[in-house]
Amino acid sequence: RKEVEQDPGPFNVPEGATVAFNCTYSNSASQSFFWYRQDCRKEPKLLMSVYSSGNEDGRFTAQLNRASQYISLLIRDSKLSDSATYLCVVTNYGGATNKLIFGTGTLLAVQP
Amino acid sequence: DAGVIQSPRHEVTEMGQEVTLRCKPISGHDYLFWYRQTMMRGLELLIYFNNNVPIDDSGMPEDRFSAKMPNASFSTLKIQPSEPRDSAVYFCASSLDPRRGAGGGDEQFFGPGTRLTVL
Repeated sequence: RKEVEQDPGPFNVPEGATVAFNCTYSNSASQSFFWYRQDCRKEPKLLMSVYSSGNEDGRFTAQLNRASQYISLLIRDSKLSDSATYLCVVTNYGGATNKLIFGTGTLLAVQP
Repeated sequence: DAGVIQSPRHEVTEMGQEVTLRCKPISGHDYLFWYRQTMMRGLELLIYFNNNVPIDDSGMPEDRFSAKMPNASFSTLKIQPSEPRDSAVYFCASSLDPRRGAGGGDEQFFGPGTRLTVL
């Protein structure tokens, strides 16, 4: 089983739609969680961190459910510019390692 | 700041040749990471350094791969000999110490990547 699992998509949605991605992780000791965004043929960039209390940044809302070991990302009022691959990332800084574990990503295509 | 710099951006080589990828991290960052990305396997961590010292190289696929960080501003990833299955995009990333706490070093900054094709 992969450490971080995501639905690869693609998610094809019209402009203005609300879309949600989920991600599950296997290591219950994971401590930090993130969503990264990767545009086609570009490098990944941090979109937002995910906190236990949930957090919002404009049209983006991230949630963490530690009991069920899943993370979600909600995008409201989708824009064409939101089209990208969204990578779920977990890590455990408390252990001997400091590495981020990336999911394989969910592809979002927002249609005009 | 110029961000993480990688060179070359594209590399096409023949099987059996030596390939050297280069990375300059963001000045002041304590950590440097090398990743490989393919369609099949996604983004995989190969190795990372803390203060120029290799900490975890468990992701390095085999002895043909080696990485060095001779100083805080430069790192190389070498493949010798290269094989067609090494074809991928190789990213370098750097960060502050994430144990500084929330907002202090969680974010990894990626370079633009080197697209490697081994024929």
